[in-house]
Amino acid sequence: NAGVTQTPKFRILKIGQSMTLQCTQDMNHNYMYWYRQDPGMGLKLIYYSVGAGITDKGEVPNGYNVSRSTTEDFPLRLELAAPSQTSVYFCASSYSATDRGNEKLFFGSGTQLSVL
Amino acid sequence: KNEVEQSPQNLTAQEGEFITINCSYSVGISALHWLQQHPGGGIVSLFMLSSGKKKHGRLIATINIQEKHSSLHITASHPRDSAVYICAVSGSLLADGLTFGKGTHLIIQP
Repeated sequence: NAGVTQTPKFRILKIGQSMTLQCTQDMNHNYMYWYRQDPGMGLKLIYYSVGAGITDKGEVPNGYNVSRSTTEDFPLRLELAAPSQTSVYFCASSYSATDRGNEKLFFGSGTQLSVL
Repeated sequence: KNEVEQSPQNLTAQEGEFITINCSYSVGISALHWLQQHPGGGIVSLFMLSSGKKKHGRLIATINIQEKHSSLHITASHPRDSAVYICAVSGSLLADGLTFGKGTHLIIQP
C-alpha cells in the first residue's frame, strides 16, 4: 500500500512565487488534513477536508488554499509565497474524525519548503 | 484552546533502559494520540487513547482523564527507538484539529 503520498519532498521558492503541494491517499479515507511544522513548535492545522467537495479552515489558513475534487487528492496551494511560509508541510488522512474509536492518522513524508 | 506540555524535551538513555515520556493537557479531550517522528522526518501514529492503557510490542501508553495526563513507556529501549515522540489531543470540534505538543527528542545510546 502506498498510503499517503506527498510531493515534492523539497522546494525552494522566491518571494511572490506560487506552488501546489500534492497529496494523494489510496486508503479511501474521508478525512484529510494539511499541517505545518515549524522548528521547536508543534504541528499546526492549516486546512482540513471531511470528504470530496468539503473543505474548511484550520488554525493557520492565511496564505493557503485547498481543494478536494476527489476522495484521493487534497492539494495545498500557496499563491504568493512569503518567508513566513518557510516550514515543513505534512499531509495526513484518517477514515473518520480523529476523536472517534481507534482512529489513527496516516502521514505523508513531508515537504520541506523554503521561501527566500 | 488546549495547551499540551510534554516532558522531558530531550532525553538521552542507554540501551535497555525503561523510558517514560509524559504529556499533560489543560482542557478535557475526546482522545489523545502518540506519534513518532523519525530522524528522516516521517511521522507514524503509535496509539490513540480515550481511556485506560494500550500496549503494542515494547510500547505502552496510558491515560488518566481525571488528571489530564498521559504517559508513553518504552521497555527494553533500543537505538532504533531514537526519534521525536509527539503527543496530540483531540478537542470537541473537528475544526480545532489536533493540538500538538512540541515533542520529546529521545536518543538511545548503544
